[in-house]
Amino acid sequence: QVQLVESGGALVKPGGSLRLSCEASGFTFSDHYMSWIRQAPGKGLEWLSYITSVSTGIYYADSVKGRFAISRDNAKSLLYLQMNSLRAEDTAVYYCVREKQDSAGTFDLWGQGTLVTVSS
Amino acid sequence: SYELTQPPSVSVSPGQTARITCSGDSLSNQYAYWHQQKPGQAPLMVVYKDSERPLGIPERFSGSRSGTTVTLTISGVQAEDEADYYCQSADVNVRVFGGGTKLTVL
Repeated sequence: QVQLVESGGALVKPGGSLRLSCEASGFTFSDHYMSWIRQAPGKGLEWLSYITSVSTGIYYADSVKGRFAISRDNAKSLLYLQMNSLRAEDTAVYYCVREKQDSAGTFDLWGQGTLVTVSS
Repeated sequence: SYELTQPPSVSVSPGQTARITCSGDSLSNQYAYWHQQKPGQAPLMVVYKDSERPLGIPERFSGSRSGTTVTLTISGVQAEDEADYYCQSADVNVRVFGGGTKLTVL
């Protein structure tokens, strides 16, 4: 079954850290760019970061640059998001998203999301 | 500028045609994509590269472009189409979403 499953969401205090994971299955993970996208409660979608298929290119939104780090392990079909210096405004559902092969920027497969709550 | 502007809401009666617009200077040289999100669910792409429809998406969903404005058209709207719709674009170093449009089926 072609799917993405996120994990690692939790309640964390301001200033804390968290690492999200995304396990891919049913397709060749190493063929695809991957993105993290989040959605704050009641708000719209916000793209955070993407990583190319073999990690040669990594890009971030200004809102998380310097605090978040994306990485991947193609041997294990895993995508990660390391989040540091968390703030209340980082509270959101975080989605792992596949970009269509040979069509970068085309979000053709979404995970179900994992909730991160930043609160004291 | 990578800002994409959508109307906050669109309302339509069942069977009618809904049109949701998205505008932005960056669309002059970038494709547009559309994602549907129903309450409590992850988004689902319904149009890519301005007007292409993914497998499994009903034919009533279509996309078009006029300059720096793209439009998602839903013909013969059904109750199940009630959702939030987001336009999106992509460049080498960034991906951008519009603010979203809530489609209400009256």
